[in-house]
Amino acid sequence: EVRLVESGGGLEQPGRSLRLSCSASGFTFGDYAMSWFRQAPGKALEWVGFIRSQAYGGTTEYAASVKGRFTISRDDSKNFAYLQVNSLKAEDTGVYYCTRGGYGNNALDYWGQGTLVTVSS
Amino acid sequence: QTVVTQEPSLTVSPGGTVTLTCASNTGAVTSRYYANWFQQKPGQAPRTLIYSTSNKHSWTPARFSGSLLGGKAALTLSGVQPEDEADYYCLLYYSGTQLVFGGGTKLTVL
Repeated sequence: EVRLVESGGGLEQPGRSLRLSCSASGFTFGDYAMSWFRQAPGKALEWVGFIRSQAYGGTTEYAASVKGRFTISRDDSKNFAYLQVNSLKAEDTGVYYCTRGGYGNNALDYWGQGTLVTVSS
Repeated sequence: QTVVTQEPSLTVSPGGTVTLTCASNTGAVTSRYYANWFQQKPGQAPRTLIYSTSNKHSWTPARFSGSLLGGKAALTLSGVQPEDEADYYCLLYYSGTQLVFGGGTKLTVL
């Protein structure tokens, strides 16, 4: 059974940094791209970025709104994907989801339950 | 700036058929936009229904179908059930590396 579990969310002050983790199980993690999405309270879903599998170089793509502040990485030996968020802003508040797939032959399919990030002083 | 537009809300009767659409301000949506459709119920994570315009996942009910219609991506629900009441989001790929969501359609089954 494919399972994705996000963690690392919480209350953080503006300007600080946060690292979100996505623990994956039930599939060969290294074979898949992984994506991150977010959703501000009461708002639409927003794509954050994705990281390709090592077969495609393990490279990343980001939404223009987060490029330069957000960094996606992966540790295939531990079956984890990460989202580093720097210089937090109030508008980064929301639920962050990791999903399997999102690039090439890896269609977006499974979603985690999400982790809530609240940015407030 | 790329904008993807969906109907803000739609209402359908149980057992009826409804089509949700997804338009791009860059022009006609084609298969190269690899349209995805997601369902989200209150308090839950989204669930992927359709990928690459018309492909279903193993968990996608048969009453859901994806297509291209009049220059837009479309999601059609045939034989709507009360449990289909939810928010529906489309996602388009631009140049394969930039993904943009529509604003979502709130579907009411009444």
